[in-house]
Formats: sequence, C-alpha cells, structure tokens
Amino acid sequence: NAGVTQTPKFRVLKTGQSMTLLCAQDMNHEYMYWYRQDPGMGLRLIHYSVGEGTTAKGEVPDGYNVSRLKKQNFLLGLESAAPSQTSVYFCASLTRRLADTGELFFGEGSRLTVL
Amino acid sequence: DAKTTQPPSMDCAEGRAANLPCNHSTISGNEYVYWYRQIHSQGPQYIIHGLKNNETNEMASLIITEDRKSSTLILPHATLRDTAVYYCIVRGQKYTGTASKLTFGTGTRLQVTL
Repeated sequence: NAGVTQTPKFRVLKTGQSMTLLCAQDMNHEYMYWYRQDPGMGLRLIHYSVGEGTTAKGEVPDGYNVSRLKKQNFLLGLESAAPSQTSVYFCASLTRRLADTGELFFGEGSRLTVL
Repeated sequence: DAKTTQPPSMDCAEGRAANLPCNHSTISGNEYVYWYRQIHSQGPQYIIHGLKNNETNEMASLIITEDRKSSTLILPHATLRDTAVYYCIVRGQKYTGTASKLTFGTGTRLQVTL
C-alpha cells in the first residue's frame, strides 16, 4: 500500500495562474482532508470530504475549490493563485470503521510557491 | 469538535520524561483525545488516542484526568529525534456531521536538548 500520495510535491506558480493538487489514497478511506501550513504555523483545514461526491468547507476555504469524483481521489484547485496561497499543503484520509484506531493518515505534503 | 489549548513551546533534556499538557475543557462524552506529532516539515504522525482510561503504546503514554477536561502526553525517555510539534485534538468517532471536521490548533513545539 502506498498510503496517501500527493502530486506534485513542489510547484512554483505566477500570480493568477491556476493549478490542481491531487491526493490519492489506496486504503478505501471514506473521509479525506486538505490542510495548509504556513511557516511556523499549525495546520489549517481548507476543505474536507466525507464521501464520494460530497465536499464541505473547513476553516480557510476561500480561494480554493475541491472535488471528490472518485472515492480514492481528492482534488484541490486554485483558480487564480495569489502570493498569500504560498504554503505547504497536506492531504489526509480517515476511515469510518469504528474498529480502526481512527488515526488520520497524512501525505508528505506539496510545497507551493506563488510569485 | 472541542477546542484544545496547548503551551506554544517546551524544552526537555534528553533521557528525561517529556510531559506535554493539553486542555480540552469543552470535551463531550463521546469525544476522544488524539495526539499527533510533526517532525520538521513532514506530514503529521499519529501517536496515541484515548477516551477515559490512560493509554500506553510503544511511543508514549496518555494520561486523561478523571473529569476529562485535560490530558498529558508522556514521552518517557525523550531523545533528540522526539524534537517536533505535538498536536492534541479531540473528536468523536462516529464521524457524522461536524465530528468529521477535524481541526488542529498550533500545537506545542518540543525541543529536546543534550
């Protein structure tokens, strides 16, 4: 199992450009999350999904869109990138099975720089 | 999910026990306490979780007060590799409605020194 895989791992954008970050998990988890982490700061929830075809807003959703067309994939889109979106983005997944430990599984992060 | 409060930073000498506190005074009856840590800029790593009873695994121990309003993560013999940011979060396991909205605070930056 690969766990949670994020692509790309690094990206540099110019202001106004668009891009999509892909998160893929092979654990059949129901829940998936996108967080951002600015230097020296904690994790802030952008959007999350409790199942295929459903998404919900987190703490800092503005400027981002998401889609969960397939259970294993959760896409994070930036339609018009801004320097304030320079950050490290983490994806995480979680199973709904109560017998599980309930731990979040994180990807390794995607470092995005907007010039 | 209940909100948590942690000290922003702590120091610990290598080989000594590191005791990291977390306040979660608004925790509800079905919410668990989870601890994660983030080493450098890697993705956070699960450490331990508990509901009422104290828990121990190969990484750490979790002590939850009787009223469940606070907890302490204990790293019994801290090493330099334990230097990281430690996050305490509380959430229910039914994952319905707002219980599925998992938010992290700013955590505690633990510095282990020689």
